[in-house]
Amino acid sequence: GESVGLHLPTLSVQEGDNSIINCAYSNSASDYFIWYKQESGKGPQFIIDIRSNMDKRQGQRVTVLLNKTVKHLSLQIAATQPGDSAVYFCADPRPEGQNFVFGPGTRLSVLP
Amino acid sequence: DGGITQSPKYLFRKEGQNVTLSCEQNLNHDAMYWYRQDPGQGLRLIYYSQIVNDFQKGDIAEGYSVSREKKESFPLTVTSAQKNPTAFYLCAGSAGINTGELFFGEGSRLTVL
Repeated sequence: GESVGLHLPTLSVQEGDNSIINCAYSNSASDYFIWYKQESGKGPQFIIDIRSNMDKRQGQRVTVLLNKTVKHLSLQIAATQPGDSAVYFCADPRPEGQNFVFGPGTRLSVLP
Repeated sequence: DGGITQSPKYLFRKEGQNVTLSCEQNLNHDAMYWYRQDPGQGLRLIYYSQIVNDFQKGDIAEGYSVSREKKESFPLTVTSAQKNPTAFYLCAGSAGINTGELFFGEGSRLTVL
């Protein structure tokens, strides 16, 4: 079936450095992606989304890049802070014949 | 404030007992979902509902049941038939199936003793 998946289950970065979390998807028809952040013991929260007519979208300290050729997207967090420590999921809300498909998540740890 | 409200946040249950998790929303969302999350894993869909009095099985519906008698409410019952019920359960809503983002509740952690 269709899937989305992250490349690394865990990522550790020094406070102040930039973080890059990657995600690959399999459905060529997917045209909309969402990144979620989940802090320990809480529900996921929307961070940023991107549509397939864009290859880059920026938010506050976050940037999502979409490469449709290789079916890959990434979430970049600038100047990573301790509050960024969480699990990050990419999600495809519109794969054909299915509802939201979530990747397994990448746990980001920010080192002091 | 608008949002998805789940209760209880923590729940303990003995083996063989059914338990019902509450999910209420005031976002006027047509679609509601229940997901299960196990440690170190992604979200797996249990059930979803597109409209009142209608719901469909997700990927792991066995041992669970739901109802959608009101637009605002989508309770999940974890039955004794669910072999491994200890998990973190997340309820979510969206404006419609496959339209836009999901809004999640804070989750309910069920532990079977």
